[in-house]
Amino acid sequence: NAGVMQNPRHLVRRRGQEARLRCSPMKGHSHVYWYRQLPEEGLKFMVYLQKENIIDESGMPKERFSAEFPKEGPSILRIQQVVRGDSAAYFCASSPPPGGNEQFFGPGTRLTVL
Amino acid sequence: GNSVTQMEGPVTLSEEAFLTINCTYTATGYPSLFWYVQYPGEGLQLLLKATKADDKGSNKGFEATYRKETTSFHLEKGSVQVSDSAVYFCGLYGSGGTSYGKLTFGQGTILTVHP
Repeated sequence: NAGVMQNPRHLVRRRGQEARLRCSPMKGHSHVYWYRQLPEEGLKFMVYLQKENIIDESGMPKERFSAEFPKEGPSILRIQQVVRGDSAAYFCASSPPPGGNEQFFGPGTRLTVL
Repeated sequence: GNSVTQMEGPVTLSEEAFLTINCTYTATGYPSLFWYVQYPGEGLQLLLKATKADDKGSNKGFEATYRKETTSFHLEKGSVQVSDSAVYFCGLYGSGGTSYGKLTFGQGTILTVHP
């Protein structure tokens, strides 16, 4: 059983471009969580999704950031018009139904904004 | 809201030394508590967990006891190895309400073990 997959592992964007980060949860997991790790800081919760639903997006910046988890395919975290402050490691985690504290993390996507 | 505070690092030890990394938390209700480990360039791996007061989580020689009276979950290992060098995160999962689904982490403690 493969673990949580994230791609790309490293992503470089120039200011103003869009970044798309993908997360494929573990098989049988229908709950996905995104966390951001800024340099020298711990992980901060961003958003919690189930298939086709956003359950909690209280940690998402109000502008430029969006997330989805469609019925088919991976979860996508999208950052529009990136700025240097978006440079961070973005981690996805997944859990089986009914969701909760047993979250399995992917290897992360390290975004660098030039 | 929920919060987790870890001792500041970095922590540098010699092989076979005793390790303690302090972690205290603030939460309502009865949270679950975790320690995660992050090796360089990798994601977080669950190291151990405890879901109720006085539970002891243990794995790979590491231990932590859920102390509700002191709101603490300190990580200990009797004899560290070079391969334990990593970043350690204390985490909390809230028991409901607006905390549902979120893991709240401390800022992480960098551990370096020298031969």
